[in-house]
Amino acid sequence: EAGVAQSPRYKIIEKRQSVAFWCNPISGHATLYWYQQILGQGPKLLIQFQNNGVVDDSQLPKDRFSAERLKGVDSTLKIQPAKLEDSAVYLCASSKPGRSSHEQFFGPGTRLTVL
Amino acid sequence: QQPVQSPQAVILREGEDAVINCSSSKALYSVHWYRQKHGEAPVFLMILLKGGEQKGHEKISASFNEKKQQSSLYLTASQLSYSGTYFCGVGNNYGQNFVFGPGTRLSVLP
Repeated sequence: EAGVAQSPRYKIIEKRQSVAFWCNPISGHATLYWYQQILGQGPKLLIQFQNNGVVDDSQLPKDRFSAERLKGVDSTLKIQPAKLEDSAVYLCASSKPGRSSHEQFFGPGTRLTVL
Repeated sequence: QQPVQSPQAVILREGEDAVINCSSSKALYSVHWYRQKHGEAPVFLMILLKGGEQKGHEKISASFNEKKQQSSLYLTASQLSYSGTYFCGVGNNYGQNFVFGPGTRLSVLP
C-alpha cells in the first residue's frame, strides 16, 4: 500500500513570505496529523484532523499557521507570514480512527528553511 | 505536558542491551514508541495500551506501568540497525492530545 505523501520535500523562503505544504494520507486513514520538528527535538503536534474536522489545534500558532483538510483526504498546512523560528521539518502522519490508539504512519516531511 | 525520557543518549556495542524510559506527569492511556534515523521520518515500533494490550515489534519489547505512569523500551542484543533516536509519545484514550518526548539518541557501534 502507498505511504503518506508530502510535497515539496524542501523549501527555502525569506522571512515574511508565505509557504504551503501538502499531504496525502494513506487511503482509508481518517485521522491526519501535522507535526513541526525542530532540529534535535521531538515532533510537536500542530493540528489533528478526524476526517475533515479538527480534533486538536491547541498548539497551532493561529495568527500565522492555518490548515485545512477538504473532503477528508488531502490536507494543506500554510504559514503566512513565516518567521525565522519556523525553520523546521514539517511532518504529516495518518492513522486509523478508533477508540483505542493506533500507530501513526509518517510521510517523509518537508524541510523548511526561513532566511 | 511533554513526557520525560531517560537517558538522553546511550552508546552500545553490538549485542549489548539497552533500556529507555518514558514517564509522564499525567495519567497514561497509551504509550507509543517510534524510532527515527537521521534525516528520515519516525517509524512505528510499538503501542502499549491501558489494560495490557500491546501491538508491536518482534525483536523489541516494552512495559507499561499505568500506576507509575511510566513505560520502558527494552532493546536486547542490539544490532547496528538499532541506531537512531527513540521517541515515546503519549495521548489520551482516544489517541488525541498526542505529545512526543524529547527523544533518546542510541548509537550502536560494531
